[in-house]
Order: sequence, then structure tokens, then C-alpha cells
Amino acid sequence: AQSVAQPEDQVNVAEGNPLTVKCTYSVSGNPYLFWYVQYPNRGLQFLLKYITGDNLVKGSYGFEAEFNKSQTSFHLKKPSALVSDSALYFCAVRDPPGNTPLVFGKGTRLSVIA
Amino acid sequence: NAGVTQTPKFRVLKTGQSMTLLCAQDMNHEYMYWYRQDPGMGLRLIHYSVGEGTTAKGEVPDGYNVSRLKKQNFLLGLESAAPSQTSVYFCASSYSSRGYADTQYFGPGTRLTVL
Repeated sequence: AQSVAQPEDQVNVAEGNPLTVKCTYSVSGNPYLFWYVQYPNRGLQFLLKYITGDNLVKGSYGFEAEFNKSQTSFHLKKPSALVSDSALYFCAVRDPPGNTPLVFGKGTRLSVIA
Repeated sequence: NAGVTQTPKFRVLKTGQSMTLLCAQDMNHEYMYWYRQDPGMGLRLIHYSVGEGTTAKGEVPDGYNVSRLKKQNFLLGLESAAPSQTSVYFCASSYSSRGYADTQYFGPGTRLTVL
């Protein structure tokens, strides 16, 4: 069965510093991987996804993620954090080709301090 | 284009009461999903639908029922609410998940409190 882990409940970073939010996954085949962001009292918003091809995926708001098959990881990164990036971030995985819905991690709360 | 909408936004129930949450999407998506979000638990799938007239159980289906009578609507019902069902409920939709890496689009959520 597919699963995803976000090992950090909370990540704190100073504004202007690079940020990383970690995600590891477990699937039987080649995964489809997603990152979503949730701002307070809002629904989840799609940031980026990895299907195949280039291991570095670029998404919305300057975020990017690197797929590493050997380490089964898909860490979210941004070169320079903004206070407005403070939110709850979810990693999700799907194990194709079945009709299985996405499986979400428990989320990582990112706080960017001015 | 409103995307995914949910009704109501907030609701307080007493134990044993029933209610229905409505999700609507205007993107002609085949797949629809209901999740609940609890602190420290992430999002857990309750039920989902792969098309009009079909539904399937997710990770935490007990105590909930669903119906998909129209392609654009997905209803989540609580027949006899319990305090353990206090949560934030999110609906999502996607074009298709048949081997495709389709993005799921989420509604704004319904905050339900069961006293």
C-alpha cells in the first residue's frame, strides 16, 4: 500500500533564508507525487507535482521539489522564504496505474519569521 | 467558474442529529472525494466517487454515507452524529485518476462541531 511521511511537524525559518520541507514515500511502482499548501481557514491549494522526467519540478509561488528515487524522497524547497509562505504543507502520493485516490501526509507547519 | 464549493461553511450539531454536506463542482470532473482533517492526522479519505451513480469507501467511512446522483454534486451524510465526527470536512474533485496524475482541486471546507 502507498504511504507518505512528513517527518517534521513544524519547520521554522528566517525570512530570506532557503527553506526545505521534507517528504518521503512508499509505493510499489513509480509514484505520482504532489505538494499542496493550506493557508489558515482555507482549502488546500495545488503547488506542484512530479509525474515523470526531470527530477526537479518547479511550481507556484517560487517553490520547487526534487524527486529522489533512491532515497524515496520528494522534498519541497524555496531559495528565499517569505513571511507569506507561512502555512501548512501537505505531501501526497498516488501509486499508478490503479484508480487509487491520493494519500496525504500529516502535514508540516512552516513558520517564516521576519 | 466557481471551482469546488461546499455548503454549509459551519455547522453545530447535537449528538444523534443528522445532516448532509453538499459539494458542487463546475469543472465537469469525473472524480469527487470527501476528506476529514483533524489536528495531527492530516487528511483522511472518507468516501469517493469515480462517476455519477458510483461511490467507494475510503480510509475512514464508518458513520458516513454518500451519494452522487448528479455528476456535479457529491453529498456526505451523517445519520447520527457523534462527537468523534467533529472535524473540518473537505471536498475535492479531479478530472480522472485512471492512471493519470490528475490534480485534485479542493473546496474551502466545512467546520462541523458535534456537541
